[in-house]
Amino acid sequence: TQLLEQSPQFLSIQEGENLTVYCNSSSVFSSLQWYRQEPGEGPVLLVTVVTGGEVKKLKRLTFQFGDARKDSSLHITAAQPGDTGLYLCAGSPLVGSARQLTFGSGTQLTVLP
Amino acid sequence: DADVTQTPRNRITKTGKRIMLECSQTKGHDRMYWYRQDPGLGLRLIYYSFDVKDINKGEISDGYSVSRQAQAKFSLSLESAIPNQTALYFCATSDHLEGTQYFGPGTRLTVL
Repeated sequence: TQLLEQSPQFLSIQEGENLTVYCNSSSVFSSLQWYRQEPGEGPVLLVTVVTGGEVKKLKRLTFQFGDARKDSSLHITAAQPGDTGLYLCAGSPLVGSARQLTFGSGTQLTVLP
Repeated sequence: DADVTQTPRNRITKTGKRIMLECSQTKGHDRMYWYRQDPGLGLRLIYYSFDVKDINKGEISDGYSVSRQAQAKFSLSLESAIPNQTALYFCATSDHLEGTQYFGPGTRLTVL
């Protein structure tokens, strides 16, 4: 079983601060996705990274895939209360059943006004 | 209307009862999944189906069964519910070309 560890598990910051969430594994993934989940809803895809070293930006969110495709990070600049939610990373394996994702345990982010 | 719907949204039941959770999708996707979510454990795959005649066990299938009644419908059953099956259950869909999974709103199940 491929495991994804996310850190930190909980993060509470003030509006305007920057933060970084990490997703690490000892396994290599063909691609990695980041989802955000809000209370009472299912996770929603934010981004998919597929190439080692790839950096993608989504407004104030910057996603990076590690060179070895074993880890990823999500950096939020000038966090806002609307960024509050559970952030999940999910990796797609190199071998085995296609499109079977392994999810990390999540980072619960709270941005205080 | 939502692309992936789940019923019921909330359910409280007693130990030993049979429970069925239903999922329907209008996205036309061939692949459907059932996950459970517990605090601090993320999403864990229970069962998945790549088409109507294909059913596969996931990471934590014990105590659960599924039925793919049609391309658009995938139901999850707990034959005899137990308290440690109390969790948030999500259905998801994807197509065979892209890896994005689209999730339903979830069912909160409490087993007393």
